[in-house]
Amino acid sequence: QVQLQQWGAGLLKPSETLSLTCAVSGESLSGYFWTWIRQSPGKGLEWIAEINHSGKTNYNPALKSRVIVSVDTSKKQVSLNLTTVTAADTAVYYCARGGSSLDPWGQGILVTVSS
Amino acid sequence: IVMTQSPATLSVSPGERATLSCRASQSVNSDLAWYQQKPGQAPRLLIYGTSTRATGISARFSGSGSGTVFTLTISSLQSEDFAVYYCHQYYSGPPYTFGQGTKLEIK
Repeated sequence: QVQLQQWGAGLLKPSETLSLTCAVSGESLSGYFWTWIRQSPGKGLEWIAEINHSGKTNYNPALKSRVIVSVDTSKKQVSLNLTTVTAADTAVYYCARGGSSLDPWGQGILVTVSS
Repeated sequence: IVMTQSPATLSVSPGERATLSCRASQSVNSDLAWYQQKPGQAPRLLIYGTSTRATGISARFSGSGSGTVFTLTISSLQSEDFAVYYCHQYYSGPPYTFGQGTKLEIK
């Protein structure tokens, strides 16, 4: 059974960098893209980026200049970095097994950006 | 691609059928998924490929449509079905886009 466990800082100040990690258990990273999505009250669900086991990435053009996703195959982890955050980046951030439909999802991390 | 769900809120009595709609601004072929989200939880995949139920999903959930118009039908609503439902197109992107959600509430 595939499980995704997320962690990372939940409170940031404006201009800081958001860093989240998603650990995958019960499944190989190979054969899938691993996707980051966020959910905020104002914008609903927003697809951020995805990465596969070999490091191929796809980014949301609206966020591409600030987003870096990476993969550590030895640890079976994927990571999200979002630079220069503002209050508009306040959201619950999820990782999910993707490439097409998204299943399963991690538990989500609420990230709040506030001075 | 903009995904538009209707209605925003749907009030239905337990035991009745609910029909949720999702419209795409351009064709997404059959690359359409539905998710259920309950308060404080991550979304859960219900349907992918327009009409294929995900593992463990009750046969009360069915999906239909193609191109730009899609429907999620929940027959004989149970108490655990009252939640928010999202459609998601993965045909064209990035970004792959979601609808704004339909809240299914008890009438």
